[in-house]
Amino acid sequence: EIVLTQSPGTLSLSPGERATLSCRASQSVRSSYLAWYQRKPGQAPRILIYGASSRATGIPDRFSGSGSGTDFTLTISRLEPEDFAVYYCQQYGSSPLTFGGGTKVEIK
Amino acid sequence: QVQLQESGPGLVKPSETLSLTCTVSGGAISNYYWTWIRQPPGKRLEWIGNIDYTGSTNYNPSLKSRVTISVDTSKNQFSLKLGSVTAAETAVYYCAIGAGWLPDYWGQGTLVTVSS
Repeated sequence: EIVLTQSPGTLSLSPGERATLSCRASQSVRSSYLAWYQRKPGQAPRILIYGASSRATGIPDRFSGSGSGTDFTLTISRLEPEDFAVYYCQQYGSSPLTFGGGTKVEIK
Repeated sequence: QVQLQESGPGLVKPSETLSLTCTVSGGAISNYYWTWIRQPPGKRLEWIGNIDYTGSTNYNPSLKSRVTISVDTSKNQFSLKLGSVTAAETAVYYCAIGAGWLPDYWGQGTLVTVSS
């Protein structure tokens, strides 16, 4: 199975700053089938990005995804107060689907 | 807007079967893939498996011998059964649906504790 490693584990930033989250796969992700989710306490995870770089419906354009093969990045251009949360990457190109360990974006 | 809600016992005894149901509202669930995912405390999310609109199931090999996922489109519900559970399977269990393998919509999750 494909192992996804996210870094850093925690990112301490201030509102308005840029956040760069990394997701590295143990082998190439087929067809860039890589997604990013946001999860806040007590809420359902929300899909942000699919296909490595396509924004899901209703997701603000400050969220962007890039990458291919084994290296992927989620960028939040300017952090809004509601963006402080945990972010997960997931590959859905190979079974079993697998998730990264998560990156917590916290207020500095 | 599509919403999902997990329901079922919050406590299951070791060696027994964990049973959960996911009810979908806000839209018909035909032609979707229905998925179960879990996250034990302090560990990463784990994909349990899915069932597609043809009834074909796909399970995580690590759980395949003990898992059954089924769907009842007439009730807008799908279910998870996991047999012979152990304490290590204490987790928040999520249901999710999507147009393909990728889960687009998730429930909030339900904590299931395995303990005697």
